[in-house]
Amino acid sequence: SQTIHQWPATLVQPVGSPLSLECTVEGTSNPNLYWYRQAAGRGLQLLFYSVGIGQISSEVPQNLSASRPQDRQFILSSKKLLLSDSGFYLCAWSPPGTGANVLTFGAGSRLTVL
Amino acid sequence: GENVEQHPSTLSVQEGDSAVIKCTYSDSASNYFPWYKQELGKRPQLIIDIRSNVGEKKDQRIAVTLNKTAKHFSLHITETQPEDSAVYFCAASMLSGGYNKLIFGAGTRLAVHP
Repeated sequence: SQTIHQWPATLVQPVGSPLSLECTVEGTSNPNLYWYRQAAGRGLQLLFYSVGIGQISSEVPQNLSASRPQDRQFILSSKKLLLSDSGFYLCAWSPPGTGANVLTFGAGSRLTVL
Repeated sequence: GENVEQHPSTLSVQEGDSAVIKCTYSDSASNYFPWYKQELGKRPQLIIDIRSNVGEKKDQRIAVTLNKTAKHFSLHITETQPEDSAVYFCAASMLSGGYNKLIFGAGTRLAVHP
């Protein structure tokens, strides 16, 4: 069966510091991968999605970036965090292909920028 | 642009009553409509989904209806229980760059009172 791992679970970072959140998926090949952000009490905003290694689509302009160095690894990064980057970051995967399909979320990473 | 609107933002019901959450979408090409339940501090989890070739789907106390002409879909929970209390998100698939992605509504916070 497929599993998705995301870490760290929580982190507190000062403004201006770098960020790296990591997500890996097991039990499938060539998954579609996603990063969503959920601000406190808000909905799920799609940040990035990837359909293959090195293929990243950005949904909103921001100081975050994403990379997919391996088939089942998805990384969210920032060089300098802003206060507004605080939130609950969720990695997700769906089966490969272009058809609309079930999205499965990781456990999330709660980021607080002070 | 791509948009999914969800109403109401909060919903309070007595145990045993029914709860209805409604969503509208903007892309007439959308063909997949999942609903997710998110308990406090947890990841969103899929509870039911429907595809555009079906008008209604039911799973025990939960049902979803879809009106493609009007571009809206609804979640119905009957005989609500306190453990149904959570935030519920609707979503619609949207084609972008040849690939499907899910766009989420802002969420509905459901409170079921004993």
